[in-house]
Amino acid sequence: SYELTQPSSVSVSPGQTARITCSGDALPRTYTYWYQQKSGQAPVLVIYEDNKRPSGIPERFSGSSSGTMATLTISGAQVEDEAHYYCYSTDSSDNHRGVFGGGTRLTVL
Amino acid sequence: QVQLVQSGAEVKKPGASVKVSCKASGYTFTTYAMHWVRQAPGQRLEWMGWIDTGNGNTKYSRKFQGRVTITRDKSATTAHMELNSLRSEDTAVYYCARSFYGSGSPPYSWGQGTLVTVSS
Repeated sequence: SYELTQPSSVSVSPGQTARITCSGDALPRTYTYWYQQKSGQAPVLVIYEDNKRPSGIPERFSGSSSGTMATLTISGAQVEDEAHYYCYSTDSSDNHRGVFGGGTRLTVL
Repeated sequence: QVQLVQSGAEVKKPGASVKVSCKASGYTFTTYAMHWVRQAPGQRLEWMGWIDTGNGNTKYSRKFQGRVTITRDKSATTAHMELNSLRSEDTAVYYCARSFYGSGSPPYSWGQGTLVTVSS
């Protein structure tokens, strides 16, 4: 079955740039979406269609995609950005079923 | 504002079935799809499937195909997810989530989650 691969953890100091990657064979043909999930809470969409921000999401969150890899960038990461981040996409060869990546724990300290 | 209110926690024995409900309000129910996503304790998000609330068409993850059924009641603006043949590995929080825009778009507005515990 189709899989999206993320690093299990990323760590940065406050004010630094955090980059979280997501790789998948179908990403050249499909959009990537990114979710932030803080402990005990439901996920929040922070990036849609590779590089767009929903209303209310800070400008320090950005996204990009090239070939089979998508990247979530948090420029000037803040302590409150500490969370799990999940990429989401669809399998273009499997009738557009959804799939989440394994998740990346971002530590900011 | 968009609200998705899910049914309460459930405790089930292995082999049983569970049906979780998701009552939607604050928007036109049939304009958006409804996803179901689960998360086992300390584990990643897992996409289960979604329903086009307008025409009732569904798509399921291959992992759950044959064991999960997603339905909707338009008049009650409620979606349901039923999972059969439960096993201990199905212990998880189950979320409904309205799609971002039309059918086929990703989850966006989430319910509060329903804890399903499978234990003998």
